[in-house]
Amino acid sequence: QKEVEQNSGPLSVPEGAIASLNCTYSDRVSQSFFWYRQYSGKSPELIMSIYSNGDKEDGRFTAQLNKASQYVSLLIRDSQPSDSATYLCAVSRLGAQKLVFGQGTRLTINP
Amino acid sequence: GAVVSQHPSWVICKSGTSVKIECRSLDFQATTMFWYRQFPKQSLMLMATSNEGSKATYEQGVEKDKFLINHASLTLSTLTVTSAHPEDSSFYICSAVRDRGPRGNQPQHFGDGTRLSIL
Repeated sequence: QKEVEQNSGPLSVPEGAIASLNCTYSDRVSQSFFWYRQYSGKSPELIMSIYSNGDKEDGRFTAQLNKASQYVSLLIRDSQPSDSATYLCAVSRLGAQKLVFGQGTRLTINP
Repeated sequence: GAVVSQHPSWVICKSGTSVKIECRSLDFQATTMFWYRQFPKQSLMLMATSNEGSKATYEQGVEKDKFLINHASLTLSTLTVTSAHPEDSSFYICSAVRDRGPRGNQPQHFGDGTRLSIL
């Protein structure tokens, strides 16, 4: 079992709809959770960080964390073609700055 | 914001050349930086953790004599690919972490990456 798992996709969503990206992790002592967006040929860009159970909203993005079920998700509302990218879920333990990345989900927003 | 600058963006050079890549945190101090490599259509692969003032910690399978890391200040880490060969061609990306804040772990902020092509 991989430490951090994501559906590799591709995930296709029509423009204006909600895109839902999911991530599960195996290490129960994981403490910090991050979503990065990576456009083709570019480096990752931080979208959201979440540390506590529940929802965290930032503009069109909402991160959801459920430590009991060991999953973290990212919702993108009113999806735009510019949201088309690979989304990376990353997890770290308390006190450890090293990140464990999922393999990424490729998202395509169709106009 | 947390800005990380990586230089150069592109390198094309002959086999056997050594190549140095710089990673700078522009508006914060970074005790810890990371170096990744990414091949096409694959996820990031961590190569090493760079610690200011001490030796880097390399991941299993990464040759420390081939990939030399120096973190001489709180804002600069360098990766030198020594005697590069075509199989070293890849996208190299650094990241930097602000010192731990009240919420615990801070996110990694990535540089723009360096595309290395060895002929």
